[in-house]
Amino acid sequence: SAVISQKPSRDICQRGTSLTIQCQVDSQVTMMFWYRQQPGQSLTLIATANQGSEATYESGFVIDKFPISRPNLTFSTLTVSNMSPEDSSIYLCSVQTHNEQFFGPGTRLTVL
Amino acid sequence: GIQVEQSPPDLILQEGANSTLRCNFSDSVNNLQWFHQNPWGQLINLFYIPSGTKQNGRLSATTVATERYSLLYISSSQTTDSGVYFCAVLPSYNFNKFYFGSGTKLNVKP
Repeated sequence: SAVISQKPSRDICQRGTSLTIQCQVDSQVTMMFWYRQQPGQSLTLIATANQGSEATYESGFVIDKFPISRPNLTFSTLTVSNMSPEDSSIYLCSVQTHNEQFFGPGTRLTVL
Repeated sequence: GIQVEQSPPDLILQEGANSTLRCNFSDSVNNLQWFHQNPWGQLINLFYIPSGTKQNGRLSATTVATERYSLLYISSSQTTDSGVYFCAVLPSYNFNKFYFGSGTKLNVKP
């Protein structure tokens, strides 16, 4: 299993600003994943982050809007840039070990 | 990509009742997981069950991989079971990406 922490747990931001979300895992993992969950919806994968290489983004998500860093095997950050109210969501960090997926507690973002 | 369908989308139960949630998927999978998302948004791993049957307390799950479906049974439901239940699959052709169903929203009334 894996224990994942995220910071901040929640935030309220003004439109046009940026927020960086941190994700820390208690063990070394090759890939980390970032998801978005809009209100009342299922989870949507934003990107996959490998250590030492550029993140791989899913269709509909771009690096300029959601830059990701992966400086080592236990840590990653996701930045939500130039925010608008449509970015109000829960953002979740996830890792996969032995084909099983584990999630962090999520960051609940509200953009005014 | 693989299609994952969950039913029913919404379910209201009286405390103590039993229920069955279903997850259908359109292609072969290496993994299937059930999650419970509590009202605070946290996703709790319930079962890792690519095939067969598992039980954990009042919850059990069965996956019939050859027929491409999985069932989650909740017995003697409690108000703390309320939340959204998600099924997620890892397709055999892509080891790196999980696909989520749209979820079943469960409300257990006291």
